[in-house]
Amino acid sequence: GQNIDQPTEMTATEGAIVQINCTYQTSGFNGLFWYQQHAGEAPTFLSYNVLDGLEEKGRFSSFLSRSKGYSYLLLKELQMKDSASYLCAVVDSNYQLIWGAGTKLIIKP
Amino acid sequence: GAVVSQHPSRVICKSGTSVKIECRSLDFQATTMFWYRQFPKQSLMLMATSNEGSKATYEQGVEKDKFLINHASLTLSTLTVTSAHPEDSSFYICSAISSGEPYEQYFGPGTRLTVT
Repeated sequence: GQNIDQPTEMTATEGAIVQINCTYQTSGFNGLFWYQQHAGEAPTFLSYNVLDGLEEKGRFSSFLSRSKGYSYLLLKELQMKDSASYLCAVVDSNYQLIWGAGTKLIIKP
Repeated sequence: GAVVSQHPSRVICKSGTSVKIECRSLDFQATTMFWYRQFPKQSLMLMATSNEGSKATYEQGVEKDKFLINHASLTLSTLTVTSAHPEDSSFYICSAISSGEPYEQYFGPGTRLTVT
């Protein structure tokens, strides 16, 4: 079957760095999305990786290793507003989105 | 875990025709379902919130007469794209919130609509 694994919850301190991991087993691979979702709101697009490597976008970076079926989202200089759920989603060979359950990130002062 | 399914997964239709997309919660009851639209490499755009037994609430800019939503039961919501045009080609994703604890939101796999 197809599976996306990411931690259920993580806690970090304001100003610090946190890495949210995502591992996947899917039938084919056509890219991986990271989304941020605040409670009661629609998910916001953060990144899309289809090739191996690190992509940096401001305080957020996303890494992909297709051979390992692994991605991570790196958040630097954490701010209180970064408290949210972070969703990993993989596009499979049929261009269907396979969703992870999301990681709830709690930022403490 | 909870599963949300969508049918069809992919559909191609001719301009001017209507297409119905189903969203089902398979092992839980969902009082509330959401319909999203996604263009490539962009955020999911919330189209409407669907509550069982009542009219859907549409986001600003979404034509309710074009995108008909029906949430007839606690496990099924449908989105009908009426008089489809090529610009309606997109990825439509539904999500459902369980009506009991935990109040988690689960996303469907999406339906890719292509209008020719």
